[in-house]
Amino acid sequence: NAGVMQNPRHLVRRRGQEARLRCSPMKGHSHVYWYRQLPEEGLKFMVYLQKENIIDESGMPKERFSAEFPKEGPSILRIQQVVRGDSAAYFCASSPLGTRPQGGNQPQHFGDGTRLSIL
Amino acid sequence: AQTVTQSQPEMSVQEAETVTLSCTYDTSESDYYLFWYKQPPSRQMILVIRQEAYKQQNATENRFSVNFQKAAKSFSLKISDSQLGDAAMYFCACFIIQGAQKLVFGQGTRLTINP
Repeated sequence: NAGVMQNPRHLVRRRGQEARLRCSPMKGHSHVYWYRQLPEEGLKFMVYLQKENIIDESGMPKERFSAEFPKEGPSILRIQQVVRGDSAAYFCASSPLGTRPQGGNQPQHFGDGTRLSIL
Repeated sequence: AQTVTQSQPEMSVQEAETVTLSCTYDTSESDYYLFWYKQPPSRQMILVIRQEAYKQQNATENRFSVNFQKAAKSFSLKISDSQLGDAAMYFCACFIIQGAQKLVFGQGTRLTINP
């Protein structure tokens, strides 16, 4: 059973270009979360999505950032007109239900992240 | 808003010794979980241990245990018999059951194991 798949693993963009980060949740998971980790910092929540719905985007920058989780296909985090400050690791996590984690489970299963570097 | 604070940016310990990593949190919610995650250089987020807020008994997982002080909102991680493979960044996190159900992370503690 594959875990959360993120691609690409590394992404290099020049200032002003667009970056698209993809996340395929674990099989059976319908909830996706995106987090950003700046160098030497902890993960910061960006957005929480269910299929075709944005549930909470309180952590998303107001401009240039958008996210979607279509009915078919992976979730996409899109950053337009990237700037140097967007350089970070972006993590996706998924969960089966937006409720109490059962047993010894963790609430969200993490992918290995995409490291975005802006030249 | 929930906050999680790790006051130790770096810690080091001799191999086979015991080390304790500190974490405090702040939330007005009563139903929540607390976690410690390990992040090695590979950047994977690896769950180390979890604690349900409604449980008084401290969680243990092999060499890892927590000291959960609910009234003080403190959640420290103790690593016994430290091994070289324990070297990593360690993040404390709080998960609120109601609402957005996002994980709120601390700033992290970099743990070095000295052979």
